[in-house]
Amino acid sequence: GESVGLHLPTLSVQEGDNSIINCAYSNSASDYFIWYKQESGKGPQFIIDIRSNMDKRQGQRVTVLLNKTVKHLSLQIAATQPGDSAVYFCAENPNFGNEKLTFGTGTRLTIIP
Amino acid sequence: GAVVSQHPSWVICKSGTSVKIECRSLDFQATTMFWYRQFPKQSLMLMATSNEGSKATYEQGVEKDKFLINHASLTLSTLTVTSAHPEDSSFYICSARDSAGPDTQYFGPGTRLTVL
Repeated sequence: GESVGLHLPTLSVQEGDNSIINCAYSNSASDYFIWYKQESGKGPQFIIDIRSNMDKRQGQRVTVLLNKTVKHLSLQIAATQPGDSAVYFCAENPNFGNEKLTFGTGTRLTIIP
Repeated sequence: GAVVSQHPSWVICKSGTSVKIECRSLDFQATTMFWYRQFPKQSLMLMATSNEGSKATYEQGVEKDKFLINHASLTLSTLTVTSAHPEDSSFYICSARDSAGPDTQYFGPGTRLTVL
């Protein structure tokens, strides 16, 4: 079956350094991808998204890279801050419209002061 | 913009009672809302897709008679856990998709249900 998975379940990064969170997907028909941040006891918070016709998209301190050849998605967070500590999920949408999202297992990012 | 609220944020109930959780899109209209369930240290599991004015679409293995979903308006969907049991204790999260915007789903803050 189709799946969305993350390479690393946990990641610790020194404050101020850059972090990279990776995600592999297997559904070649997916054309929309989203990164969410979830803090303890809260709902997921939208970070950034990217469509399959793009390779890179930048936001404030975050960059998402999409490599369709190897079905790989990554989230880069620049100059990490303590508030970046959370669980990060990638999600894919097989088609535009009302399709459900398929979530990855999540990566816990811990920023070390 | 794109704010989704849930009420209540937490609830404790006795086994056998029913609990209603509300999900509201505060600043946009949502033809489609989604209900998820999340166990500790796990990812989100989609339970059902809630469509305004029509029946919800449930994921395989989710009992529609136990988890009643009503999407009566473009800004409100409700999830009722009927005859709750301790195994229903979980974190329930809704999301909403802006009918006039991109395909992004925006999530509510979640509702922690504890069934005694």
